[in-house]
Amino acid sequence: GQNIDQPTEMTATEGAIVQINCTYQTSGFNGLFWYQQHAGEAPTFLSYNVLDGLEEKGRFSSFLSRSKGYSYLLLKELQMKDSASYLCAVLDSNYQLIWGAGTKLIIKP
Amino acid sequence: DGGITQSPKYLFRKEGQNVTLSCEQNLNHDAMYWYRQDPGQGLRLIYYSQIVNDFQKGDIAEGYSVSREKKESFPLTVTSAQKNPTAFYLCASSSSMNTEAFFGQGTRLTVV
Repeated sequence: GQNIDQPTEMTATEGAIVQINCTYQTSGFNGLFWYQQHAGEAPTFLSYNVLDGLEEKGRFSSFLSRSKGYSYLLLKELQMKDSASYLCAVLDSNYQLIWGAGTKLIIKP
Repeated sequence: DGGITQSPKYLFRKEGQNVTLSCEQNLNHDAMYWYRQDPGQGLRLIYYSQIVNDFQKGDIAEGYSVSREKKESFPLTVTSAQKNPTAFYLCASSSSMNTEAFFGQGTRLTVV
C-alpha cells in the first residue's frame, strides 16, 4: 500500500529552528508537496520538490532524497504564527496526491 | 482577486437528508478536487475532475456525488447513503494534476 509518515506533533521555541520529517512509500513519484494548515482553515502551499536537494524560500526550506523516500521541511527563526499543522503530500505515478496525516507544530515563547 | 470559494462554512444536516456543498473557482483551473479531512488522518480524496463534464471517483466516493457542468463549479452532494458524513470538507483546484493545489476555506458538516 501507499504510505506517508510524519510525526504527529512537535514543539519548538520562538526564534529557534525546527525540522519536520516526512518519509514515503508510494507507487511511483512525481513530486512532493508541503502545505501549512492553521486550525480550521484551508491548507496553503509552501513548497514543491521533484529533484533531490534543498529548496530554500525565505525562512522555509524543503529537502528531498528520492532514493531514501525522505523529505524534510526546515523552519528557521520561528514565529508564533508558525504554529500550525504541516502536511506532506506525494504525487504518485498516476498523478494522485497521497497525503500524510500532518504534523502539528506548537511554538512556545 | 482570483480564488476558490466554498460555501457554507458551517452546515448542519439531519440524518437521512442529502446536502450539497458549493465550490466555485475563478482561477481558470482545469482540475478540481473534493477532499474529506478527519482528525488524525490525512486528506482523503472523494472525487476529482480534470475537465468539464468528466469526473473520477477517489478513494472514498461511496455516499457522495458530484457534477462538473461548468469549469468554475464543482458541487459535492453528500447523500443519505454516506454512513459517517460529519467531517471537514475541502475543495481544491489546480491548473493541472502535477501543480500546486489551491484550497477553499472548507465546509464543516455536522449531522444532527
